[in-house]
This record gives sequence, structure tokens and C-alpha cells, in this order.
Amino acid sequence: GENVEQHPSTLSVQEGDSAVIKCTYSDSASNYFPWYKQELGKRPQLIIDIRSNVGEKKDQRIAVTLNKTAKHFSLHITETQPEDSAVYFCAARGNTGFQKLVFGTGTRLLVSP
Amino acid sequence: GAVVSQHPSRVICKSGTSVKIECRSLDFQATTMFWYRQFPKQSLMLMATSNEGSKATYEQGVEKDKFLINHASLTLSTLTVTSAHPEDSSFYICSAGPEDTKLFFGSGTQLSVL
Repeated sequence: GENVEQHPSTLSVQEGDSAVIKCTYSDSASNYFPWYKQELGKRPQLIIDIRSNVGEKKDQRIAVTLNKTAKHFSLHITETQPEDSAVYFCAARGNTGFQKLVFGTGTRLLVSP
Repeated sequence: GAVVSQHPSRVICKSGTSVKIECRSLDFQATTMFWYRQFPKQSLMLMATSNEGSKATYEQGVEKDKFLINHASLTLSTLTVTSAHPEDSSFYICSAGPEDTKLFFGSGTQLSVL
């Protein structure tokens, strides 16, 4: 089945800096890659997603890039703000079932003022 | 995004009792819902896929007799933790989506078994 690895596990940046979180996946048939943000004690929120037929997608300060050949995708946050502090999870939809997502291990992002 | 409602948000129970958690899709129909478990500071681990009108599909290592799933309608799935024990204490969260890709999560249920 699909396996998703995520790095780094923790990331500390200064406000205004950029943050990059990287994920790799194992199933070359995976075709959908969402990113979720989870604040402490709350539900994961979908922040951006990308399909396998697109190499890059951007939404204001957030962007995701996908390299299908290397089987990795990354989340880029520019001009970070303290409210960006949270745990971020990447995920991949394998080729084994309807909507089934496999999640990475998460990255705890801390943005210091 | 689509709205997924989950209740209760928090439950404390005695060891040996059963606990039912409800997951509802409020503004769309969901033939499939997913149940995850999350330990503190860890990732979301898929427990089972809930299928409307048929049996749930459980992930490897998840006891189907321990975690009963019922998906009786297109907007409701329930997870019952039977004969709960302290090791079942965790954050349980459901998800569903109105299309074949985007998934939205319920607010989660923090279960504490004494």
C-alpha cells in the first residue's frame, strides 16, 4: 500500500521567513495530494491540494509543488505569520480505494514573532 | 468547504462500557466516510472505511468487534467503541467529502476511559 514520509518533524522560523515542508510517497499511481493544517485540539483543515496532472498550485501565501518522477511534493509558506503555527500533514491518495488518504507523520511549525 | 459534524466532542467513561460516536455530513450525501484515530502529537491513522448500506472495511490491526461501525444512511455513520479500556483512550475523528477527492473532517471526539 501507499506510504507517505514527511520532513521535518519540527520547523521553527521567524515571522516573515518562508517555510518548506517535504513529503515523499511510494505509490506511483497516487493522483491526489492534499495538505492539512491542524491547530491544537482542533480538526485538520484542508489548506491546499494538488492533482497529479499539475506541477504547481498557489493560493496566496501557500503553494504546493509536485514532482511525479521523484514522487515527492512540498508545501511552501511565504511571509509566515504567528497564526501559521500549527501541525501540518501531507497526504496522498493511493490507488486502492475511493478517497482513501494516507497521511504523513506531520510537521510542527512554530513561527516566532 | 463541506461540513462534517461529529458528536460528542468529549466523553469520559468507565472501563468496560461502550461509547458511541456520531459523524454526520450536513450539506452533502456521503456514501463513504472514514474513521481515524490520533494519539497525542502523532499522525492520523485510518481505522476503517464506512460504507453506506454495507459492511465497513477495517484496516489491518483494527479489531472490527471492538470498533463497530454502522453507516445506515447517506448522512450518518457511527463508531461504537465496545467494552472500552484505558488503552482505547484517544482522539477519534471522522471524515467525508462531497466528491471523490476532497475530504473534510469532523471536530473529533476525545475519549478518556477511566
